[in-house]
Amino acid sequence: ETGVTQTPRHLVMGMTNKKSLKCEQHLGHNAMYWYKQSAKKPLELMFVYNFKEQTENNSVPSRFSPECPNSSHLFLHLHTLQPEDSALYLCASSQEVRDTQYFGPGTRLTVL
Amino acid sequence: AQSVAQPEDQVNVAEGNPLTVKCTYSVSGNPYLFWYVQYPNRGLQFLLKYITGDNLVKGSYGFEAEFNKSQTSFHLKKPSALVSDSALYFCAAGSAAGNKLTFGGGTRVLVKP
Repeated sequence: ETGVTQTPRHLVMGMTNKKSLKCEQHLGHNAMYWYKQSAKKPLELMFVYNFKEQTENNSVPSRFSPECPNSSHLFLHLHTLQPEDSALYLCASSQEVRDTQYFGPGTRLTVL
Repeated sequence: AQSVAQPEDQVNVAEGNPLTVKCTYSVSGNPYLFWYVQYPNRGLQFLLKYITGDNLVKGSYGFEAEFNKSQTSFHLKKPSALVSDSALYFCAAGSAAGNKLTFGGGTRVLVKP
């Protein structure tokens, strides 16, 4: 509905698994973002990409690895996650950084 | 470091009554400010923003917010709340000199019939 799609919508993984989250925006935007939303915690910015270049890494552990092959797609590769990484992972895009961000529906991740 | 505070975890209001959701911010330099709303199992939806200009900003669904520089506040208001306004509301702030938005902790609004 907002032009930002995320797949899968739900993901359950073990601590030794490797999985990837995908985000695609159909808005022609140049900037894309990953956020983590945990229960009872503020929305946490993880990564910012502007014109496919990473411009912000908010001290995210290396078990989260982003990839931005082009301005329309953003991935978050996950490996050896911890149960405390269980959260809703939101992708967003904006025309330029500092512009209004439009969010996808999120991927609900559960790490067992 | 920039920060955003939403002092109320939850706001309860009767349908038809005015709704106010509070937000204060701390950023370096000129701020740009947003309000977003999140319904269950959905992403955040943009409501309104302030960058420059009029201190009173009008947004979607009858919401408005007032930028107050001296109080570093950006409270969200709606004159007459609807049951369908029940949701989680987030305030966000950034600095015109930076490229990062900081979100508040969110305020849950419950509008009762």
